Amino acid sequence: QSGLTQPASVSGSPGQSITISCTGSSSVVGLGGYNYVAWYQQYPGKAPKLIIYDVSNRPSGVSSRFSGSKSGNTATLTISGLQAEDEADYYCNSYSTKTTPYVFAAGTKVSVL
Amino acid sequence: QVQLQESGPGLVKPSETLSLTCTVSSDSINSHYWSWIRQSPGQALEWIGYVHYTGTANYNSFLSTRVTMSIDTSKNQFSLRLTSVTAADTAIYYCAGMPIGEAPGGGHYWYYFDPWGQGILVTVSS
Repeated sequence: QSGLTQPASVSGSPGQSITISCTGSSSVVGLGGYNYVAWYQQYPGKAPKLIIYDVSNRPSGVSSRFSGSKSGNTATLTISGLQAEDEADYYCNSYSTKTTPYVFAAGTKVSVL
Repeated sequence: QVQLQESGPGLVKPSETLSLTCTVSSDSINSHYWSWIRQSPGQALEWIGYVHYTGTANYNSFLSTRVTMSIDTSKNQFSLRLTSVTAADTAIYYCAGMPIGEAPGGGHYWYYFDPWGQGILVTVSS
């Protein structure tokens, strides 16, 4: 148990906006007490790619259709104007005071209908 | 743009030692913490540990008795050794950098991973 929980799957039609939540237990202080939340996109057979860090910052080159926010101990990734190329797995990560300091959620599979 | 490349054997026998190396493309080995992360088939990502150019290392407590990480700044490389492997260690192993940020109240923080190597599949089997 990493202490981070995401929905297993989210789907949407092209052009729609979807949201993926990432909820942290009390041990995930990076999410609850700080702004230490990152999101990754992973295509099958490929390495994860950072798309959001520090809750809402986008690395250079990442589409502005990806945005992040946080409320309490839940972070949210929003994908606006959903496109076929957004079909992938998405993971959140943060910092925890449990035995493993750097934790990932189990991931959310995004399907574009 | 820093790039990472993992290298090492793709097949390791049970009870033996898994050894992987990650080569960093530029002279930026001093600018990040450097981690190994693995992903078992169809599973989530699992942080294994990190090493810093100062020699500081930190490991996942679930693996700490079997893991050693080292760094060679002259070669822009860092390495992973995982002893006494079993089939449960079969996974794709990624190396990744951990950028260091400045915390608002002073100090530094590192928790996210960028860039990533392409990953190397390591199978534990006799």
